[in-house]
Amino acid sequence: QSALTQPASVSGSPGQSITISCTGSSSDVGGHNYVSWYQQHPGKPPKLMIYDVSNRPSGVSNRFSGSKSGNTASLTISGLQPEDEADYYCSSYTSGRFPFVVFGGGTKLTVL
Amino acid sequence: QLQLQESGPGLLKPSETLSLTCTISGGSISSSSYNWGWTRQSPGKGLEWIASISYSGATYYNPSLESRVTISVDTSKNQFSLRLSSVTATDTAIYYCVRQIHDGSVPDWFDPWGQGTLVTVSS
Repeated sequence: QSALTQPASVSGSPGQSITISCTGSSSDVGGHNYVSWYQQHPGKPPKLMIYDVSNRPSGVSNRFSGSKSGNTASLTISGLQPEDEADYYCSSYTSGRFPFVVFGGGTKLTVL
Repeated sequence: QLQLQESGPGLLKPSETLSLTCTISGGSISSSSYNWGWTRQSPGKGLEWIASISYSGATYYNPSLESRVTISVDTSKNQFSLRLSSVTATDTAIYYCVRQIHDGSVPDWFDPWGQGTLVTVSS
């Protein structure tokens, strides 16, 4: 059981927009702006897509954006492309009983 | 461009100790801006943070693994290492080494990631 809750799967057609949610608590997502998102293609390591809730690393498409409201962070991918099909994981600093880093369970994005 | 490469045995028997090393190229481990860490991913499962260490040797462990985990740094070799004792089949996973950016004392995002190394625990 992951500390952060993500939907197991989402899907969309090419050109559409999708949003993946990541729900935590006031000890992690809701209490800090240290939320990051990772994309993982099969057989590959995760790749950083968003850091500190809404910042994009250099080289990441501006079709990827992040936001947060309360205890829920969100990753939005606009103009879906076939190569966006992958697993997506959120992560957050947690200042709970045992502070450090927690991950979400991951979301499988299928581009129809 | 910073690159990380994991190395170590791919097959262990139950009760043995897992030892992995991460070699850093294209950059120095001796930077106060970063921590260095390990994560893992069980087959078909999600990601789990294991441990991190600062360049100065301050260590941070996942409480669920802390009693079995040791992370260390060798600045002379630009490497850091992971030891996980008393392994069982549930420790079978792909192990990734990562660089972790931190904001003062607060750990933040992981980038880049190594390619990962599969460790299987089986009798």
